Amino acid sequence: GQQLNQSPQSMFIQEGEDVSMNCTSSSIFNTWLWYKQDPGEGPVLLIALYKAGELTSNGRLTAQFGITRKDSFLNISASIPSDVGIYFCAGRSSGSARQLTFGSGTQLTVLP
Amino acid sequence: DGGITQSPKYLFRKEGQNVTLSCEQNLNHDAMYWYRQDPGQGLRLIYYSQIVNDFQKGDIAEGYSVSREKKESFPLTVTSAQKNPTAFYLCASRDYRDTNQPQHFGDGTRLSIL
Repeated sequence: GQQLNQSPQSMFIQEGEDVSMNCTSSSIFNTWLWYKQDPGEGPVLLIALYKAGELTSNGRLTAQFGITRKDSFLNISASIPSDVGIYFCAGRSSGSARQLTFGSGTQLTVLP
Repeated sequence: DGGITQSPKYLFRKEGQNVTLSCEQNLNHDAMYWYRQDPGQGLRLIYYSQIVNDFQKGDIAEGYSVSREKKESFPLTVTSAQKNPTAFYLCASRDYRDTNQPQHFGDGTRLSIL
C-alpha cells in the first residue's frame, strides 16, 4: 500500500522561530493536504495543494507540492503559542474517493 | 452552520458490548468516512461510503460495521469482535463529485473500555 513518511515526529521551538516539516511518499499523489489537530478535536484543513510545483500560503503558513508529486512541505513563520498541535499531511491519488493516506503527524510545541 | 457532528464526545464500553458512534453532516456531501486514531499515529481508514446504501471496507474494518441509510448519516458500530477498541474515532465527509474537494472532519468520539 501507499506509505507516507512525515518528519520530524516532534519539534520544540521558541516563540517567533520558523518551522518546517515535510512528507514523502512511495507513490505519486495528485492532491496534498495539510491539517492541524488540537487535543481532543478533529483535524482542521490548513492548506490544499492540487498541482505539482504549486506553492500556496495561508497567513503565516506556506506549503508546496513537490515537483516529483511524491513530497510536500509545510512552513510556519514567526511561530506563536497557538500554533501548538499536531500537523498531519495527507495525500490522495487520482480517481478514488477513499485513497487519502495520512502521515503519522508532527507534534509541535512552542516555548514562550 | 454547516458541519459534521459526532456524538457522543466520550463513550465507555463494557467488555462484550456493541456500541454505536453517530456521525451526521448537513454539508450535502456524498462521501463519508470513518477513521481510527491511536496515540502518536496517523489516521487509519475503517470504512467509507460514496453514496447512500453503499459502503466499502477500509484498511482496518475487522470488528466494525456501518450503515448508510441516509445521505446525512453514517453511524459506526464497534462490535465485541473488536478486541482493542480504545481509540479516538473521527468521521469525515467530502463532496465526491468535485475531485478537488478535501475531506472535512468532525470533532471526534473518544471510546474507552471499562
